[in-house]
Amino acid sequence: QSGLTQPPSASGSPGQSVTISCTGASSDVGLYNYVSWYQQHPGKAPKLMIYEVTKRPSGVPDRFSGSKSGNTASLTVSGLQAEDEADYYCSSYAGTNIHWVFGGGTKLTVL
Amino acid sequence: EVHLVDSGGGLVQPGGSLRLSCAASGFSFSTTWMNIVRQAPGKGPEWVASINPDGSEKYYVASVKGRFTISRDNAKNSLYLQMNSLRAEDTAIYYCAKSGVFTFDYWGQGNLVTVSS
Repeated sequence: QSGLTQPPSASGSPGQSVTISCTGASSDVGLYNYVSWYQQHPGKAPKLMIYEVTKRPSGVPDRFSGSKSGNTASLTVSGLQAEDEADYYCSSYAGTNIHWVFGGGTKLTVL
Repeated sequence: EVHLVDSGGGLVQPGGSLRLSCAASGFSFSTTWMNIVRQAPGKGPEWVASINPDGSEKYYVASVKGRFTISRDNAKNSLYLQMNSLRAEDTAIYYCAKSGVFTFDYWGQGNLVTVSS
């Protein structure tokens, strides 16, 4: 089972924007508009930030936005704040055999 | 408010068994798909299993098929994962996760399962 590829780290200063990529395949990210992004602080459970590529659950700041082009999805965090420092994971639906795939995670550091 | 409370983790020897539980509240459990997602130390999450609302459909990642069984008791708003023939590579934090629209919209706090002699 193949996973999604994310850069291991990303960083930005407070107030700046940062974009995290998530590369999959034509059988998951490229085929379905079911990409999600999760935020995970140390010792905590993942928290849903983006689903269906671009949608934000209630309560998630509009500083978080998602997009997709081909087999690559992206999460952009605008107006970086200290509390945005966390690990971010992408996932995609991958059909009825594989079901779900996740990325290895990107550690976002707010400088 | 949605609450998912995981329980039942611990240390088990290779080849042993363990049963995880997840108590749900704050939503219509009996009409919701439920899932188990695990995360090995320092790694990304991995989907493990899903179960439909009435328990008639169950899906597993290939590496646990035949060893793990997901089940639910809608009268008790509870989800279970029976894990048999445990291996060192099953060591992870196991999360109960509620299905949203092709996503996992709420997660429990997680259960650490350590498989070691």
